[in-house]
Formats: sequence, structure tokens, C-alpha cells
Amino acid sequence: KNEVEQSPQNLTAQEGEFITINCSYSVGISALHWLQQHPGGGIVSLFMLSSGKKKHGRLIATINIQEKHSSLHITASHPRDSAVYICAVRSNTGNQFYFGTGTSLTVIP
Amino acid sequence: NAGVTQTPKFQVLKTGQSMTLQCAQDMNHEYMSWYRQDPGMGLRLIHYSVGAGITDQGEVPNGYNVSRSTTEDFPLRLLSAAPSQTSVYFCASTKWQGDTEAFFGQGTRLTVV
Repeated sequence: KNEVEQSPQNLTAQEGEFITINCSYSVGISALHWLQQHPGGGIVSLFMLSSGKKKHGRLIATINIQEKHSSLHITASHPRDSAVYICAVRSNTGNQFYFGTGTSLTVIP
Repeated sequence: NAGVTQTPKFQVLKTGQSMTLQCAQDMNHEYMSWYRQDPGMGLRLIHYSVGAGITDQGEVPNGYNVSRSTTEDFPLRLLSAAPSQTSVYFCASTKWQGDTEAFFGQGTRLTVV
């Protein structure tokens, strides 16, 4: 059983489309992280959320603590957004991180 | 620049060889951890440390050793590499508690033949 579930697993979009990636989790958390992993590259933290909503450029992340759900939105998607997006939660007991399996996004010009 | 430095980026080992993956951070973070990433699976915790001198096992610790002699460094040792340890390894650090940002190393792609 995965503590963190992401959907979809794979996503292909046309440049300019609005994209949503979803994350559901089953444990109590102190924070939720959205991470980006480029092909052959390291992992970069995009957002850290404990409540509400955050915006950075074309990226928006929201979290609903009661429903244990978060979404990552990309507005006006661009080919350079092509990457794997990973949802990770930090447990509020023991501080362990749990990771989703990632959503592979491809944005076609 | 502040962050997590992980080396090497790539490594090929023969079965039975040993090696150490290095991880260092300069942010005075208490919590450091090692993960492996395999296709179709989320990152899985190998070992973690909540401070100098303190380490503990994660989800998949077998075949790996760690030590934390300083706050900055958290090396991961493979004593006798096996093909099942072929994976991509990531080191991460963060403050011990709370909603604080996590920083990841660039990853090590390890192949055991």
C-alpha cells in the first residue's frame, strides 16, 4: 500500500494547455512537497505546502488538508516543463518522507 | 552555494566490489537521508540520520551502511555490491522537524554488473 498516490502516471499535453497533476495521501503530514525531476537530472523542490495555495510563475500548488489531497497546476504549459513531477509528504510522526511514484509529463510543441 | 553535494554522478561496479557514495550539505541541517529510485516505484528510504552520531534504518537498509560523524557529511557505503543494488541514489537533507524545504543531491546512477 502506497502512502502517496499520484495521478496520472503519464501525461502528454500540447504546448499552451493547462495541466493538473493530483496527489492523495493517507498519513498525517507536517508538509507536502512537489518536486521536479528532469531526465538524467537531479530533483528540485518546487513547492512546500502545509496549507492553502502557493504560486510561482506558471505553477500553482494547492492542498486540502481535510481531504488529504493536493494538486499541481501548470498554466500555459511549455516543452521545457517536460519532466517527472513527484509528490512527497512529510509524516507528522517520525518526520519520514513518503514519495509518490511520479507523473511523467511531456509537453509537445 | 548552499545545497547538497552528492558524488559521484555515475558509477559502474562489479558484483562484490565496495564503494562509498558521498553526501555533504552546508545548511546545518540535522536530518539527512538516502533514497533509492527504481522504475515504477517511489523513492524508498535506505537510511537516515537526525544528527551527528545518530543513524537509523529506513525501508530498504539491507546491503548498505551509513555513518554520521559530522553534521555536514552522510556517506552511504555498499560493502559488497549486488546487481539488485543497480539504481539511482539520492541524498537529501532538511531541518529535523516541521514544514521546511527539503534539498536533494543530483543523484548517483549506479550499475552493478
